Amino acid sequence: AAGVIQSPRHLIKEKRETATLKCYPIPRHDTVYWYQQGPGQDPQFLISFYEKMQSDKGSIPDRFSAQQFSDYHSELNMSSLELGDSALYFCASSLGDINIQYFGAGTRLSVL
Amino acid sequence: AQKVTQAQTEISVVEKEDVTLDCVYETRDTTYYLFWYKQPPSGELVFLIRRNSFDEQNEISGRYSWNFQKSTSSFNFTITASQVVDSAVYFCALSENSGTYKYIFGTGTRLKVLA
Repeated sequence: AAGVIQSPRHLIKEKRETATLKCYPIPRHDTVYWYQQGPGQDPQFLISFYEKMQSDKGSIPDRFSAQQFSDYHSELNMSSLELGDSALYFCASSLGDINIQYFGAGTRLSVL
Repeated sequence: AQKVTQAQTEISVVEKEDVTLDCVYETRDTTYYLFWYKQPPSGELVFLIRRNSFDEQNEISGRYSWNFQKSTSSFNFTITASQVVDSAVYFCALSENSGTYKYIFGTGTRLKVLA
């Protein structure tokens, strides 16, 4: 069965650079979520999209933005990167009110 | 406000022992969902179970079982006859019906199963 695909798996950036993370949800899933997991921490909700519209926003810095495209893939754009942005970024997708989020393998971002 | 507490930061057991991971939650919603996920050393988050607030039946899946008690706001997870492959971080999560179903995770419990 198809799973959530995230790319790239690893990303190394310098401070003040920009990064773009991509997420391809499970086909026919209508909701995409982004989470940030710092080292040794639990995942924290960043933002979600339902049918390509932003549906909720968590503690996402203003330097970050995201969107969902017509093919349902989503991108998380991060600018002016800081050392504290180093984390594992997860994308998850779900279908309707079944409300089980299936997670991708994550993108590990290292900011040097 | 919603909150999930996993008081056990790390547990070590010897293979074949039973182990219970605790999860206590807080929510004002009457309809909500509880989940357990496994995060092995490779880093991915693997879905284990979903339980809605109206279904207090305990569930068993192989060596895994879950005990949901609304009276104590707990959703505990037991692994019977643990194996080395069970070594991972386990997260309990809460999703409320009012809103977009985003997850609030607990801080996770690291389980080490020793051979």
